[in-house]
Amino acid sequence: DAGITQSPRYKITETGRQVTLMCHQTWSHSYMFWYRQDLGHGLRLIYYSAAADITDKGEVPDGYVVSRSKTENFPLTLESATRSQTSVYFCASSEVPGQGDEQYFGPGTRLTVT
Amino acid sequence: AQSVSQHNHHVILSEAASLELGCNYSYGGTVNLFWYVQYPGQHLQLLLKYFSGDPLVKGIKGFEAEFIKSKFSFNLRKPSVQWSDTAEYFCAVNTGGFKTIFGAGTRLFVKA
Repeated sequence: DAGITQSPRYKITETGRQVTLMCHQTWSHSYMFWYRQDLGHGLRLIYYSAAADITDKGEVPDGYVVSRSKTENFPLTLESATRSQTSVYFCASSEVPGQGDEQYFGPGTRLTVT
Repeated sequence: AQSVSQHNHHVILSEAASLELGCNYSYGGTVNLFWYVQYPGQHLQLLLKYFSGDPLVKGIKGFEAEFIKSKFSFNLRKPSVQWSDTAEYFCAVNTGGFKTIFGAGTRLFVKA
């Protein structure tokens, strides 16, 4: 099915463990984004990618790593998870965000770090 | 720094009541404006957007928003809400680049 998918949908991990959240889109959109959603903060940008092999930091990148070897995939890795990274993570994609194109969001991954 | 303010964090309405959610942004240049909605347990989806032209924008499910440049505002309205409108609403602003800034969200609860 066309769209944007995320896996896993739910994840519980322990402090210090490495966790990778997957994101896959079928539209061939150039831009992809990772956000975290926390109560009272709305969505905050972690990393974004303008194309394959082009990534850059967003507002809250510390503790996260991304890669984009293929246009359709944009995994987010928490190198050593901390409790402050407990959140809901949304992946999104867009064609040309600066020209009025909206973002399309995945269903989210609810991550709990114990 | 650019920012987006949503004045109401929680709104409770009865069915058939009118809705207006406030959104103000801080940026003096050209903007693209969006309202996204997140229904319980679902992902964010676009409700409506303003890119250019008529400042009164109509979206899905009877929602509309008005861009008032002089007030840096993009308020969301609906004349008569339904129970199914219970959701969280996010205002978002793009200033021409890759980055879109989201407001903190407004949680709307509609009583049946």
